[in-house]
Parts: sequence; structure tokens; C-alpha cells
Amino acid sequence: AQSVSQHNHHVILSEAASLELGCNYSYGGTVNLFWYVQYPGQHLQLLLKYFSGDPLVKGIKGFEAEFIKSKFSFNLRKPSVQWSDTAEYFCAVTANSGNTPLVFGKGTRLSVIA
Amino acid sequence: DTEVTQTPKHLVMGMTNKKSLKCEQHMGHRAMYWYKQKAKKPPELMFVYSYEKLSINESVPSRFSPECPNSSLLNLHLHALQPEDSALYLCASSRTTGGVGPSYEQYFGPGTRLTVT
Repeated sequence: AQSVSQHNHHVILSEAASLELGCNYSYGGTVNLFWYVQYPGQHLQLLLKYFSGDPLVKGIKGFEAEFIKSKFSFNLRKPSVQWSDTAEYFCAVTANSGNTPLVFGKGTRLSVIA
Repeated sequence: DTEVTQTPKHLVMGMTNKKSLKCEQHMGHRAMYWYKQKAKKPPELMFVYSYEKLSINESVPSRFSPECPNSSLLNLHLHALQPEDSALYLCASSRTTGGVGPSYEQYFGPGTRLTVT
């Protein structure tokens, strides 16, 4: 069964700082990778996704993620965070093997301070 | 239309009440999902419907009863809930539960915030 690890439980950054949130998964086959964001009191929104092709994926709001197959990683990055990026970030994985659920990491809470 | 809608947005119910949550999508997706999400935690999968048939039940208590009347609608019937069932209930849909890549992308609704008193 797949599992997803998000190493950072809570990250605190100043505005304009660079962001990198770690995500590692365990599954030997072909995977589909997602990052979701949940702003306080709001619903899940898809930030970006990777199915195949270019391992560097660009998403909304200036976020990007890089799939490194050899490291089973899909880290999320943003060069310069804003106060409005304060939210909970979830990495999720599903396998290309039929009827397998979407597995979420435990989430990383990002707090951006002025 | 890439929207999943859920009603109601908020629901407060007593432990003896019976209520239902509703989810709708018009993207032609044939897989639909119910998740439960507690504050600051990831969504937990409850049920998966594939082509209107229940394909996954993650050992959810029988006080939660899902129903998929047609390919666009998904209901969650609630009865005799406990206060610990208070959570955000999310519905999602995807093209299918098989295939490759984009078929697996799940579109989430805004959720129903349930409070059990």
C-alpha cells in the first residue's frame, strides 16, 4: 500500500522568504502526485499535479514542484511567499493500478508572518 | 463545468436526528467519493462509488449510509451520530477509479461542516 510522508508539521516563514515543503511517498510503481492547499476555514484546492512528462510542474499562485523518481519525492516550492499563503498544504499520491485510493500526507501548516 | 457542489454548507444535528448530505457533479465522472476531515488533519476516505456501485467502504460505522442514485449524485445518510462525528465532510469525483494519470484526478467539493450536538 502507498504511504506519504510530509516531514514538516509546521513551517513559519517571513514574507518574501523562499519555501520548500518536503513530500516523500512509498510505492514502487507508476504514481500520480498532487499538492492541495486548504486556506483557513476553506475547502481543498488543487495547487498542482503530476502524471507524466516534465518532472518540474508549475501550478497556481506561483507554486511549483519537482518529481524526483529516484528519491520518491515531490517537493513543493515557491520562491517568495506572501502572507496570503498561510494555509495547510497536503501532498497526495495515487497509483496507476486501478481502484487505489488517493493517499494524503499528514499535511504541513505554513504560517507566513509580516 | 468542473465543479462539485455539496449541500448543505453547514448542518447542526442532534444525536437522534436523521439527515442527509448531498453531492452533485456534471462532469461525466463515474467515480465519486466521501471523505471525512477533522480540523488540521488530512481527509480520510470513507466510501468510493465506481459506476454507481459501492467499491470501497473503509470500515465506516453503519450510522453513515452512502447512496448513489445516479452517476451525478451521491448522498450520505446520517443517523444516530455521535459528537465525535462532527467534522467537514467532503465529496469528490474523478473520471474513473482506473486507467492512467488524469483519470485519477479528484475534484473536491467545498464540503459540509457537520456539528453533532
